[in-house]
Amino acid sequence: DAEITQSPRHKITETGRQVTLACHQTWNHNNMFWYRQDLGHGLRLIHYSYGVQDTNKGEVSDGYSVSRSNTEDLPLTLESAASSQTSVYFCASSESTTGRGYTFGSGTRLTVV
Amino acid sequence: RKEVEQDPGPFNVPEGATVAFNCTYSNSASQSFFWYRQDCRKEPKLLMSVYSSGNEDGRFTAQLNRASQYISLLIRDSKLSDSATYLCVVSWYSSASKIIFGSGTRLSIRP
Repeated sequence: DAEITQSPRHKITETGRQVTLACHQTWNHNNMFWYRQDLGHGLRLIHYSYGVQDTNKGEVSDGYSVSRSNTEDLPLTLESAASSQTSVYFCASSESTTGRGYTFGSGTRLTVV
Repeated sequence: RKEVEQDPGPFNVPEGATVAFNCTYSNSASQSFFWYRQDCRKEPKLLMSVYSSGNEDGRFTAQLNRASQYISLLIRDSKLSDSATYLCVVSWYSSASKIIFGSGTRLSIRP
C-alpha cells in the first residue's frame, strides 16, 4: 500500500544545530508540503513543492529550507534550530493543489532546547 | 482578521446529540472547502469536501454559505468515536493555489 512516512517521530536538539526531518511518500504525488502545528495557530505552511526541482516558500519559511531531488522525498532542514521552532511538523502529499485529498505523515515532534 | 476562523471549543456534548460548528473565511474568491478530522496527537485526515449545494456523508452534513462566507459541519447521533478536532480548510487560486487550515474546533462526546 502507498504511504507517507516521516522520520524521526521525536527529536530533541540543541539551539543552533542543523536538523533535517525526512518525508518519504510512495503515492507518486507531485505535490508535497511541510506544515508546522502549534496551539492556537493550526497548521501553517512552511514550504511546498509541485514537482522535482520545484520548491516554494510558505507563510512561515524563515529558518527552514527544502530540496526536491526526486518525486518521493522532501526533506525539511532547520538551518540553525531555535526554541521558537519547537513544534509538531507534518509532511503531506497530494494529487491536487486545492486542499482535497491531502495525505499526511504521522508527524515529527521536535523540541529545541 | 484571520483568513479562516473557527471556534476552538471545546464542544462537550452527550452521546446521541446533534452538534454543529461553523468556520468563517475572509476571502470571497475562495473556491474549495473541506473538513478534516484530527485525533489527539495524530495527523489530520480528510473527512469530507463541502459542495455549494451542501452534502451529506452518513451522519455528517456539510454546508457552504457563500453570501455570509462560512462553512458548517453538522454531526447527528454523535458517537464517542467522533471525539476529535475538526479542521476546516479553504483554498483559492490567484497567482498560485493558496490553502488555509483553520485552527480547529475540539469536540468531546461524553457517554
